[in-house]
Amino acid sequence: DTAVSQTPKYLVTQMGNDKSIKCEQNLGHDTMYWYKQDSKKFLKIMFSYNNKELIINETVPNRFSPKSPDKAHLNLHINSLELGDSAVYFCASSQGRFGGSVSEQYFGPGTRLTVT
Amino acid sequence: AQKVTQAQTEISVVEKEDVTLDCVYETRDTTYYLFWYKQPPSGELVFLIRRNSFDEQNEISGRYSWNFQKSTSSFNFTITASQVVDSAVYFCALSGISGSARQLTFGSGTQLTVLP
Repeated sequence: DTAVSQTPKYLVTQMGNDKSIKCEQNLGHDTMYWYKQDSKKFLKIMFSYNNKELIINETVPNRFSPKSPDKAHLNLHINSLELGDSAVYFCASSQGRFGGSVSEQYFGPGTRLTVT
Repeated sequence: AQKVTQAQTEISVVEKEDVTLDCVYETRDTTYYLFWYKQPPSGELVFLIRRNSFDEQNEISGRYSWNFQKSTSSFNFTITASQVVDSAVYFCALSGISGSARQLTFGSGTQLTVLP
């Protein structure tokens, strides 16, 4: 059983289009994340949700909007796609944010977005 | 601000050699967590280890071992008797436990190539 899944795995689209990436986790985790990995493999967090509540919102263009319908799902919608949005987007999840403990994150397989 | 430095961009070894991947971190927090992740050519991110700042014991898991030295702010990763399947990008990451520090800050990764 896949723990963290993302769809689609590949997404090729033209500039100006709107697209969504879906993420689901079956680990029973409370916290989910979106990361962007650029062409140099640098990984940066974009958003984090805990029990459907947004808790981290890094400096990301407001064309990116996360949506969490329930704690097992965190989708990423991107409006008016630009060439610079081309990257691999990873979803991740971890156990809830309890006190002073930080749990490891488990990552999905990634979605390679190519904007032409 | 948190920072993770992986100064070795690429390392190439011959199978069965031992190899150490360096990780140096910066944080103002007294409590924090360190992680290593592996990204093989297939692209997924695989969790390897989590360590909190109060546990300076070295850890060994099969051919993998980790050396945490708080005095030098380092958390190095050694693969003993490397194998071709160890070829991957390895990421070191750091998380604080509160506020804006409670998120994974990744290093830039080390590309390890193990030659047959």
